[in-house]
Amino acid sequence: QKEVEQNSGPLSVPEGAIASLNCTYSDRGSQSFFWYRQYSGKSPELIMSIYSNGDKEDGRFTAQLNKASQYVSLLIRDSQPSDSATYLCAVRGNSGYALNFGKGTSLLVTP
Amino acid sequence: NAGVTQTPKFQVLKTGQSMTLQCAQDMNHNSMYWYRQDPGMGLRLIYYSASEGTTDKGEVPNGYNVSRLNKREFSLRLESAAPSQTSVYFCASSAVGNTEAFFGQGTRLTVV
Repeated sequence: QKEVEQNSGPLSVPEGAIASLNCTYSDRGSQSFFWYRQYSGKSPELIMSIYSNGDKEDGRFTAQLNKASQYVSLLIRDSQPSDSATYLCAVRGNSGYALNFGKGTSLLVTP
Repeated sequence: NAGVTQTPKFQVLKTGQSMTLQCAQDMNHNSMYWYRQDPGMGLRLIYYSASEGTTDKGEVPNGYNVSRLNKREFSLRLESAAPSQTSVYFCASSAVGNTEAFFGQGTRLTVV
C-alpha cells in the first residue's frame, strides 16, 4: 500500500499567522502531488498541485516539494478564520492512476 | 457546469439490502474513482477506472462492485450491505495523466 502520512492535528494558529502543513509519502516513484481543503460535511476541493521540486505560490498558498526527502508541504500566509478546515495531501503514484490520500490535518485559525 | 454529480445524497439501508450509487461527470475525463471516508481514516480508494472499459481495485474493494457504463458514468454497487459500509462515499474524476481529481458532493450512507 502506498502510504501518505499527515499529522492529524488539530493545528491551531492565530489569525494573520502562517500555517504550515506537512505530508510525507512512501512511493519514491510518485509523480504528482496535491493539496485539498475539506470543510466539515463538504467534499474536498483542490487548492494546489505541484509536480516538480521547489516552491509553487498561488495567492496566500505556497506548496513545497522535496522528492529526495519524499516530503510535500503547504504554507498558508495571513491565515483567516475561513481557512479553518481539514487539509488533505494527495499523491499520484508511479502507475499514474490511483490517487492516494493522507488522513488529513485539521487546521483551526483563531480570531 | 455540473462537474461530478452523485446520486443519491443520503441513503439508509438495512443489513443485507443492495443498492447502487450513481456518478456522472460532464468534464470529458478519462479516469474516475470511488472513495469512502470514515472518521479518522481519511479518504480510502475503493475502485478506480483509468479509462472507459477498465476498472481496478483500490485499497478497500471487498463488498463492492463497480461498472464503468460509458465515459461519463461510473457506478458503485453494494450487493449485500453491512453496517461496516456505513460511510460517506465520494466519486471523483480526472483527465489523462498526472492531473488533479474533482469530487462530487458525496453520498452519506447508513446501514442499520
